[in-house]
Amino acid sequence: EAGVVQSPRYKIIEKKQPVAFWCNPISGHNTLYWYLQNLGQGPELLIRYENEEAVDDSQLPKDRFSAERLKGVDSTLKIQPAELGDSAVYLCASSQGETQYFGPGTRLLVL
Amino acid sequence: SQQGEEDPQALSIQEGENATMNCSYKTSINNLQWYRQNSGRGLVHLILIRSNEREKHSGRLRVTLDTSKKSSSLLITASRAADTASYFCATANTGRRALTFGSGTRLQVQP
Repeated sequence: EAGVVQSPRYKIIEKKQPVAFWCNPISGHNTLYWYLQNLGQGPELLIRYENEEAVDDSQLPKDRFSAERLKGVDSTLKIQPAELGDSAVYLCASSQGETQYFGPGTRLLVL
Repeated sequence: SQQGEEDPQALSIQEGENATMNCSYKTSINNLQWYRQNSGRGLVHLILIRSNEREKHSGRLRVTLDTSKKSSSLLITASRAADTASYFCATANTGRRALTFGSGTRLQVQP
């Protein structure tokens, strides 16, 4: 069974540019999460989807971050415009029960 | 915000020795989970312990949970060089499905 797929794996952009990350969860997993992980820290939740509905987005900086999961399967996380402080790893995870399965992450560097 | 605090932040041991990591948290939980993260990779689920359980085993892993002290420990017995990774505890809080992660323990197992 394929795991959670994320792309790209690495992204380098200049500040004020837009950037988008893509995630394809494990087949059949209705719940999808986006986490932000800063260097040396644990992941922090940005947004959680149940099917196509965002049910927990209280930690998402809505002035520059947006996310969508239109058909309840894959998801896109966007930052526009990116700031230097957005440099981090963006992790996607999916679940059907209590255990979450993580993708390899997208490492973003904003110059 | 980080819910849990792991202790120690870093641990270096010799192959064959046991490794113990501790985690403290702040709020009521449904369950507590431990994840491993190899450098540059996503997180891998290791074990889940529910709030009504006190101890759980899985292979070389032993997890304890003390809800009165809001703390948990992860013991890895007979460590191997391949156990070198960062280990995170994560809590599933009452009423919230997303996980809240601690800051992690970086374990180095010397061959």
